[in-house]
Amino acid sequence: AQTVTQSQPEMSVQEAETVTLSCTYDTSESDYYLFWYKQPPSRQMILVIRQEAYKQQNATENRFSVNFQKAAKSFSLKISDSQLGDAAMYFCAYTDSSYKLIFGSGTRLLVRP
Amino acid sequence: EAEVAQSPRYKITEKSQAVAFWCDPISGHATLYWYRQILGQGPELLVQFQDESVVDDSQLPKDRFSAERLKGVDSTLKIQPAELGDSAMYLCASSRTYGQDTQYFGPGTRLTVL
Repeated sequence: AQTVTQSQPEMSVQEAETVTLSCTYDTSESDYYLFWYKQPPSRQMILVIRQEAYKQQNATENRFSVNFQKAAKSFSLKISDSQLGDAAMYFCAYTDSSYKLIFGSGTRLLVRP
Repeated sequence: EAEVAQSPRYKITEKSQAVAFWCDPISGHATLYWYRQILGQGPELLVQFQDESVVDDSQLPKDRFSAERLKGVDSTLKIQPAELGDSAMYLCASSRTYGQDTQYFGPGTRLTVL
């Protein structure tokens, strides 16, 4: 079965510090895309960062970067210089050959001022 | 910036009643998705459209759920009759093409079935 596992239900970080959210996935496909989505309270889900599985270089987007380990099927998100606005649920996901998103259960990120 | 629109934002209904949700994707987006997100879980796909055609509805409970996208633009998801277990957030997303394009999400409709 194709699954995404986020083993950290909740994480906490001090403002301006760095935090890493973990994600592992299981797929038998060779071509897929990986995503991190952010869902703030009562607000819509927005894309944080995406990674093409065929690319070895880790994706970065301003303060957000990923550590993609294809052989280990690991895709962690690092948030640098954390801000209060980063507080949200973070979902790891990938798209299979039918292009539907398969999500993990999410990690709630708390940012302490 | 263009966004996916959904209405209503909140819906409370009694079990056995019919409910309908509406989604208007970003203009020009050919692919539309309906996901269901149960509290504390990640979203799961219910149905996927490419223009007006259903691409994947394998997870749609077809005895009570129906979805349509008649003109290949906006879409309606219906539940009849609603059951207690249908309480969830219903999310609509769209992408420019059918492929590995980024999916953009609407604000969702939170359904509570009493």
